[in-house]
Order: sequence, then C-alpha cells, then structure tokens
Amino acid sequence: AQSVTQPDIHITVSEGASLELRCNYSYGATPYLFWYVQSPGQGLQLLLKYFSGDTLVQGIKGFEAEFKRSQSSFNLRKPSVHWSDAAEYFCAVGAVDFNKFYFGSGTKLNVKP
Amino acid sequence: EAGVAQSPRYKIIEKRQSVAFWCNPISGHATLYWYQQILGQGPKLLIQFQNNGVVDDSQLPKDRFSAERLKGVDSTLKIQPAKLEDSAVYLCASSLAGTGNTQYFGPGTRLTVL
Repeated sequence: AQSVTQPDIHITVSEGASLELRCNYSYGATPYLFWYVQSPGQGLQLLLKYFSGDTLVQGIKGFEAEFKRSQSSFNLRKPSVHWSDAAEYFCAVGAVDFNKFYFGSGTKLNVKP
Repeated sequence: EAGVAQSPRYKIIEKRQSVAFWCNPISGHATLYWYQQILGQGPKLLIQFQNNGVVDDSQLPKDRFSAERLKGVDSTLKIQPAKLEDSAVYLCASSLAGTGNTQYFGPGTRLTVL
C-alpha cells in the first residue's frame, strides 16, 4: 500500500539555523514527489517537486530536497531559516498516472528568534 | 492568473444539517480534486474529476457526501446529513490534464459541525 511518513510532528529551530524535514514514502512504482507548505489560514503552496532526472531539486523560498531511491526518502532542506518559514510542511507522493495522490501527516515548524 | 476560488471560507452547522461547498478551478485546468483535511492530519483525497467525469471517488463516503462538476468547470461538494466527525477543512485543487501536473490549491472551507 502506498504511504507517506513524516516522522517529526513538530520541529523548532532558531532563526538562521539550518533545517531538514524528513519524508519517507512507500510506493510500488516510480513516484512523483512533492513538498507543500501551509501557513495558518492559507491553502497549500507548492515548494518543489521531483519527477525524474537530477535527484537534488531546487524550489522556491530557498528550499531544496533530495530524492534518495535507496532510502525511499525525499527530505526537505534549507540552509538558513527565516522567521517567515514558520508553517506546516507536507510531503506528498503521486502515481505516475497521477490517479492517486497521498499526503503525509505534516511537520509543524516553529522558528525561534 | 487567478487562483482556485472556494466559498464559503467558513461554515458552522448543526449535526444532521446539510452543507454545500463551491469551487472554481484555474481556467483551463481539466482536473479537479476535493480533499478533506482534519485538524492535525494531512489532506485526504475525497474525489477527483477529469473534466466532468469522476476519475477516483474511492475515499468519498457516498452515503452522505456527493460531488458534481457540471460542464467540466465549477464543482460543488455536498454533505447531507453532516456528522460531528465531518468537521474539517475542505480543500479544492486543480491541475492541467495529463500525468504529473502540479496541483494548485484553494484557500479551503473550514467546516465546524456542532
């Protein structure tokens, strides 16, 4: 069965520190992988996506993610976090034919001044 | 380019009442999705339309939920009758047709069932 696991429910980092949010997936075929961000009261905004090719993907707002097939992971990183990055982050996996799309349960990021 | 529009933004109803949500996707997007996001969880796909046909409604509780997309543009999601456990944010998303296209999300409708 397909699934997406985000093992960290809450993460707190200091402003300016680096960030890594973990995402592991279980999928039988080649997946499409996404990271979305959701600020309070806002809809989901796409940060980046991986379909094929280079396994290191650059996104908006200075985020990047690396696809590691051997570890079934797609972790999100940012070298220096800003206070405005405080939000909830969701990893998602889609089928190649895109008829199925699954979200993880999310990681809430708090940023300390 | 206008984004995905949803209304209302908030709705409070009593259990056993009915409620309807409306979604207007991005112009030209053939695929439309409805998700349910319960507090503390990730969004769960309820139904997916391709133009005005249903592609996947396997997780839609069909005894109380219904959705339609007449003319392949706007869509409505209805709950009748509502239960307490239906309290959630209902998200609409749209994408271009075809494999691998990015979904764009609306702001959602927050439903509270008392």
